[in-house]
Amino acid sequence: GAVVSQHPSWVICKSGTSVKIECRSLDFQATTMFWYRQFPKQSLMLMATSNEGSKATYEQGVEKDKFLINHASLTLSTLTVTSAHPEDSSFYICSASLSMSNTEAFFGQGTRLTVV
Amino acid sequence: GENVEQHPSTLSVQEGDSAVIKCTYSDSASNYFPWYKQELGKGPQLIIDIRSNVGEKKDQRIAVTLNKTAKHFSLHITETQPEDSAVYFCAASRAYKLSFGAGTTVTVRA
Repeated sequence: GAVVSQHPSWVICKSGTSVKIECRSLDFQATTMFWYRQFPKQSLMLMATSNEGSKATYEQGVEKDKFLINHASLTLSTLTVTSAHPEDSSFYICSASLSMSNTEAFFGQGTRLTVV
Repeated sequence: GENVEQHPSTLSVQEGDSAVIKCTYSDSASNYFPWYKQELGKGPQLIIDIRSNVGEKKDQRIAVTLNKTAKHFSLHITETQPEDSAVYFCAASRAYKLSFGAGTTVTVRA
C-alpha cells in the first residue's frame, strides 16, 4: 500500500507556544488529506479534511483558528496547533487519499503531542 | 451522519483460537468498510476492506463479511497468534469521510 509519513513522531512543547506537524505522502499524490485526534483508549475523531490548494473543512466543534491546516502541495499537509494548552495534548494522526471520491485512506504513524 | 457501533470492546482469546469482531452502521448509503489494526503508539494500519457489492472477502487468516440488509459487518481472525494482539477499528464510509467504531482491544494469550 501507499506510504504516509508523519513528523515528528512525538513533541513536547510549553503552554502558549505553537507546534507544527507534517504529513507527507511518499509515493503517491494525495489530493485529499485528513487530520484526526485520538485520546487514550478512544477512537479516532476527524478534525478536518483538506484538499490541495483550497481551505480545509473543519468538523463541528473544531476551532479553525487554533488548528491551522495547510495543504499547499499534493504530497504535504501541515497541522499547526497554535497557542497550545495542556488540554491539546493528544495523539494526532493524518491520513491521505488519492482523491475525494477514492475512499481508501492511508494513515501516518501519528504524532504524540504533550503540552506542559 | 454515520454511526458505527463496534462490539466487543475487549476480547481475550487463546492462541490458535478464532476472534470475531462485529460492527453495525446506520447509513444505508455507506459503501466502503475497512478494518484497521492499531498497535500502541502507532497509526492505524489497513488490514482488510470490503465494498458494498461484495458479501465476503478473505486474506489468509483474516476475513470480513458484510450483510447490507442488516447493516452488519464482521472481522474474523483465525488461528490467532500473539502478534495479533492490538486494537482493531472498523469503519464505514459513503463518500470520502470515514466513521470509526470505538475499537476492540484484542489480547491473544500464549
